[in-house]
Amino acid sequence: DVKVTQSSRYLVKRTGEKVFLECVQDMDHENMFWYRQDPGLGLRLIYFSYDVKMKEKGDIPEGYSVSREKKERFSLILESASTNQTSMYLCATLKQGVEAFFGQGTRLTVV
Amino acid sequence: AQSVTQPDIHITVSEGASLELRCNYSYGATPYLFWYVQSPGQGLQLLLKYFSGDTLVQGIKGFEAEFKRSQSSFNLRKPSVHWSDAAEYFCAVGATLHGNQFYFGTGTSLTVIP
Repeated sequence: DVKVTQSSRYLVKRTGEKVFLECVQDMDHENMFWYRQDPGLGLRLIYFSYDVKMKEKGDIPEGYSVSREKKERFSLILESASTNQTSMYLCATLKQGVEAFFGQGTRLTVV
Repeated sequence: AQSVTQPDIHITVSEGASLELRCNYSYGATPYLFWYVQSPGQGLQLLLKYFSGDTLVQGIKGFEAEFKRSQSSFNLRKPSVHWSDAAEYFCAVGATLHGNQFYFGTGTSLTVIP
C-alpha cells in the first residue's frame, strides 16, 4: 500500500513564524501536491511538483513556497504565518498520473 | 476550464435509507473520475474510481457510482446507509494535462440519524 506521511497531525504557531510542513511518500511517485481544506471551500491546490526540484503554482500559492530536494519528500513552507493560514493541510501523491493518495493531514492553527 | 460541482453541501439521511450524492463535472476530454471519503480528522480515502469501460463502478463499503457522459455526472449511491458512513464526501476529476492535476468538488457532508 502507498504510504503518505505528514510529519505533524496538529501544529500551533505564532503569527510571523516560518512554518515547515513535511510530507514523505514511499512509492516513488513523481507527482506530489499540497492542498488546504477549509469548510465550504473544499480542497484548494497550493502547489504541486512533478519531479525533483520542479514546482508549479496551484490556485492559491500566495504566502506559501515549497521545496522538493528528494523525490520522496515535499515540503510546504509558510514564510511568515498569518491567522488566515489556519487550516487543514493535505499532502497527496499521484500514481500513474491519475490516482491520488493522501496523507492524514496537518491541522495548523496560527495564533 | 475543468471544474467539479457538488450541489449538495449537506445531506441528512436515516440509517438504512438509500443515499445518492450528486457530482457534475466539466472537462474537455474523457475524464478520470473519483469519489473520496473523509472521516473527521482524517485524510481522504478512495471509495471508487472510473477510468473507462463499464459505467457503473463498484467501490468499497458498499458504494457504487454511475458515469453518465450525456449528463456529465458521476453520482455516488448506496442502497442502505450505516451510521459509520457519516463523513465528508468529495468528487474529483483527474486530468492528464499539464502537471497531472486533480480537481475537487467542494464536498458533501453526510449526517446519518438513527
